[in-house]
Amino acid sequence: AQSVAQPEDQVNVAEGNPLTVKCTYSVSGNPYLFWYVQYPNRGLQFLLKYITGDNLVKGSYGFEAEFNKSQTSFHLKKPSALVSDSALYFCAVRSSSNTGKLIFGQGTTLQVKP
Amino acid sequence: GAGVSQTPSNKVTEKGKYVELRCDPISGHTALYWYRQSLGQGPEFLIYFQGTGAADDSGLPNDRFFAVRPEGSVSTLKIQRTERGDSAVYLCASSSSGRGPTGELFFGEGSRLTVL
Repeated sequence: AQSVAQPEDQVNVAEGNPLTVKCTYSVSGNPYLFWYVQYPNRGLQFLLKYITGDNLVKGSYGFEAEFNKSQTSFHLKKPSALVSDSALYFCAVRSSSNTGKLIFGQGTTLQVKP
Repeated sequence: GAGVSQTPSNKVTEKGKYVELRCDPISGHTALYWYRQSLGQGPEFLIYFQGTGAADDSGLPNDRFFAVRPEGSVSTLKIQRTERGDSAVYLCASSSSGRGPTGELFFGEGSRLTVL
């Protein structure tokens, strides 16, 4: 069975500081990993994905994520946070052996303070 | 349209009533997904269509929930005998099947269902 864990309900960071939002996963087969962001009263927006290859993937709005197979993690990072990055972030996983459903974590609220 | 469109954006109904929620995917996307999101939770998978057929309906909570996609484009999620616990935001997403399991999902803004 596929599952995703986001161990932090909320992450607080000062503007200009680096940020990390954590994600670990469990899946049979090779994982396909995704990050989405959700602003209040809006749908989910795709940020980036890891399929294969380089463990560091870059995405929208300056975000990047690092895939670590041994730790089954896919943490979201940004070198310098902006107040406008404040939102709800979801990690999601799909197995290479299951071409269908994408399973989401519970979400982490990112709060960037000026 | 340019994105995934969901109607209605808000629906308030009484316990026991029947509800239909509509999703119009991105043109050309053959894969369509329904998710349910409760307050403070991540999206919960309900059902996934590939074309007209339901490829995986393992997330439907019970037989009060049903979804169709008769022409492989627009989909309708149907909820019978609604209960207060059905209150949530129902999200629809579509994906290009040409990318298979590597393709990202594109989400609509959701239909907020409130059952009184």
